Amino acid sequence: AQRVTQPEKLLSVFKGAPVELKCNYSYSGSPELFWYVQYSRQRLQLLLRHISRESIKGFTADLNKGETSFHLKKPFAQEEDSAMYYCALHSGGSNYKLTFGKGTLLTVNP
Amino acid sequence: EPEVTQTPSHQVTQMGQEVILRCVPISNHLYFYWYRQILGQKVEFLVSFYNNEISEKSEIFDDQFSVERPDGSNFTLKIRSTKLEDSAMYFCASSRESKNIQYFGAGTRLSVL
Repeated sequence: AQRVTQPEKLLSVFKGAPVELKCNYSYSGSPELFWYVQYSRQRLQLLLRHISRESIKGFTADLNKGETSFHLKKPFAQEEDSAMYYCALHSGGSNYKLTFGKGTLLTVNP
Repeated sequence: EPEVTQTPSHQVTQMGQEVILRCVPISNHLYFYWYRQILGQKVEFLVSFYNNEISEKSEIFDDQFSVERPDGSNFTLKIRSTKLEDSAMYFCASSRESKNIQYFGAGTRLSVL
């Protein structure tokens, strides 16, 4: 069975500080990993997918198959980064569903 | 930018009543999904739909649930006889292909009293 774990329910940092939101997954095959973000009163929207290997809004995430992790990082947090962040896994093949972690609420303080 | 649209934003119903949650996926998308999020818990997959049939469903999606694409634009989730534990946020999503990014609607908050 596939599982996504986000160990931190809440994370609070100051503006300009580095931030790392942790995500670990459990899946025996080759999954595709995503980070979705939900700003206050807005819909879930894609932030990053691992196959794109791009940086969005200063965020990056590297898939580490050895540690089965896909941590989200940003070197200098901004107040507008405050949001709920969800890590999600797609197992690929003939499967269609996304499996989500419980989410981490990031608060960036001025 | 096209969006997935869900109506209503909030639905209040009595236990045992039937509810229909509505979604308009992005127009050129072929795959449609329903997820739910009980307060304080994770977003959970319910069902995916492609080519006018269910392609995958979770154990949550029991006989009380059904999905339908009644016309070329709408995608609905019906709960036949609601239970208190059906109270949750229900998200519709769509994607162009099965391995593509899933785009989410803003959700319908279902409150079962």
